[in-house]
Amino acid sequence: DVKVTQSSRYLVKRTGEKVFLECVQDMDHENMFWYRQDPGLGLRLIYFSYDVKMKEKGDIPEGYSVSREKKERFSLILESASTNQTSMYLCASSGFTGAGDIQYFGAGTRLSVL
Amino acid sequence: AQKITQTQPGMFVQEKEAVTLDCTYDTSDPSYGLFWYKQPSSGEMIFLIYQGSYDQQNATEGRYSLNFQKARKSANLVISASQLGDSAMYFCAMRDDNSGAGSYQLTFGKGTKLSVIP
Repeated sequence: DVKVTQSSRYLVKRTGEKVFLECVQDMDHENMFWYRQDPGLGLRLIYFSYDVKMKEKGDIPEGYSVSREKKERFSLILESASTNQTSMYLCASSGFTGAGDIQYFGAGTRLSVL
Repeated sequence: AQKITQTQPGMFVQEKEAVTLDCTYDTSDPSYGLFWYKQPSSGEMIFLIYQGSYDQQNATEGRYSLNFQKARKSANLVISASQLGDSAMYFCAMRDDNSGAGSYQLTFGKGTKLSVIP
């Protein structure tokens, strides 16, 4: 079975803290993604990675960075958390299956920045 | 530029009835993929069904089918025999296959909240 695991379901942080959101997949997928989801705005892509140490900006990369040192792990970093980064964060992975390159998602992390 | 439109913010359906969730898309590329995901209140996005732009037949997966009308640029999700567990948000998404590095990305619609009534 496909498995994408996000390290935390709920997280509460203070403004200015450095925050790490971790995502691990066990499907040997090449591609990994970070999205944020906000009411009325849907899912928006923050960053994605198509290979180890490779990264590409998505639609809303400001205030975020990412790290992919190993194929199975993709980390989202908030260098200095702000209240407007309170959101639901979803990680996904996909591989070259030839069947639509389906993205599989983790359970999500609800981050609150106070 | 890609765009996905889901015009129904909320829908109600009686248990055991069929329901259609609308999705229209906009792309100028001939090669693309269309996806539907389900998001229960727990938050996880669950993949339901995929349709490629060159697929001749409509995709089906169990009680889910995708009514793909290419000329009208619509990809409606049909759920047959609704169950209480189908109550969730449903998202339509598109991947553009010809935009370089961006071809990995999905663009999502705003979603439709489906409520199944006993």
